This record gives sequence, structure tokens and C-alpha cells, in this order.
Amino acid sequence: GAGVSQSPRYKVAKRGQDVALRCDPISGHVSLFWYQQALGQGPEFLTYFQNEAQLDKSGLPSDRFFAERPEGSVSTLKIQRTQQEDSAVYLCASSTGIGGGYGYTFGSGTRLTVV
Amino acid sequence: QKEVEQNSGPLSVPEGAIASLNCTYSDRGSQSFFWYRQYSGKSPELIMFIYSNGDKEDGRFTAQLNKASQYVSLLIRDSQPSDSATYLCAVNDNTDKLIFGTGTRLQVFP
Repeated sequence: GAGVSQSPRYKVAKRGQDVALRCDPISGHVSLFWYQQALGQGPEFLTYFQNEAQLDKSGLPSDRFFAERPEGSVSTLKIQRTQQEDSAVYLCASSTGIGGGYGYTFGSGTRLTVV
Repeated sequence: QKEVEQNSGPLSVPEGAIASLNCTYSDRGSQSFFWYRQYSGKSPELIMFIYSNGDKEDGRFTAQLNKASQYVSLLIRDSQPSDSATYLCAVNDNTDKLIFGTGTRLQVFP
């Protein structure tokens, strides 16, 4: 596709529910990133994939967060047993280069609200 | 803890004026520097990047980098109301991630 596509755009989850957020990066982009952006804050790094390999997951806030990119294209971020503090916009970004040194193209994000 | 600091604003400037946005970073090993624009409710959009000390111009935008002082700035000439947004500074130290500041909200009034 022409850009990074994320779905759903909005998700309301009851506390304790599991959610799955999808990212479809720009075709051919090697690097894929997930960021979390709380209201009024800058994006915070969650995890990084180079093709299908998850090279950095240092930003995942707890073991309730899990990400995968099994075929090196589409990625899914899964949050188990959601908590209110998980409410945020989850941004996916991709880059043609290796790592973050070239800047990213962000998707439109998924706004997660946990009630 | 690597940090990127920005004044949250709002920075208010009249239409046609120069808007100056500043950012400082803590990690001297930082190599690449980025400015993103984020409209309310939208995702960040890359507008400028700079790798070397000095100025880099692109249309109405100029990025300035001073590695010795660990700051990077963005100048917007002939500011327009459509420039009103939050501007995010981001820094990369040759690892895989970008570290973002909290952003400066710019308001350009007619």
C-alpha cells in the first residue's frame, strides 16, 4: 500500500480483556516499530522488528504486551488482560533502512481506551 | 536514561513571523536528529532531519544542529495558521529506536 495501515482505528476494551492491534507497513520496508503515545506526551518506543526478527523489545512495559511479525510484513501487537493505564494511541511505523537512523513513516494509529 | 527535552508551549506567533522551536538532548552519542509535525488527532509526520552540525534548509523550514551544545532547533519562516500543530523532536544514537521529546505546541494566529 501507499502508507502504513493500522487497524482498528479505535478500540474500546473492558479491563481484563485481550486486544490485538494490526499494522501493515509500507511494502518492502525492512524495519517496523511500535510506539505508545499517551495524551500530551511524545511517542515512546515499545519494540522493533527487522524483517521477521524482533531485535529489540526493551520498551514493552510488561509481559502482558507481545508483538509478532511472522512473515516479515504485517505485525500484530497484542495486549493481554488490559489495564486502564494501557489507554493510549499505539503507533506503528516502518522504515526502508535498518534501525531508526533514517526516520520513520507512521501509520494513523490505534486509539485504545480501556474502561 | 536518554532524554530529549522540549518546552511544551504553547508558542504563539503571528502569521508571517518566524517560529523558533528548540530541543536539547542528553546523549552525546546521538547521531541523527528529526523534527516531526503532529496535528491534533493525527499521527506524526516527518518534516526535517539533520545529521551534521550547522543549518539545513528545506523551503520555509530550517533545522539547526549544535552537537557541542547538544541542541537542535527548527525555524519556520513566514509562519501560516496551517503550521499550527505540535512539533516533536526525535533523536537517534545509531540504535534501533528514536527517542522523542514531549513536543512543543505551536499556534500561529492570523
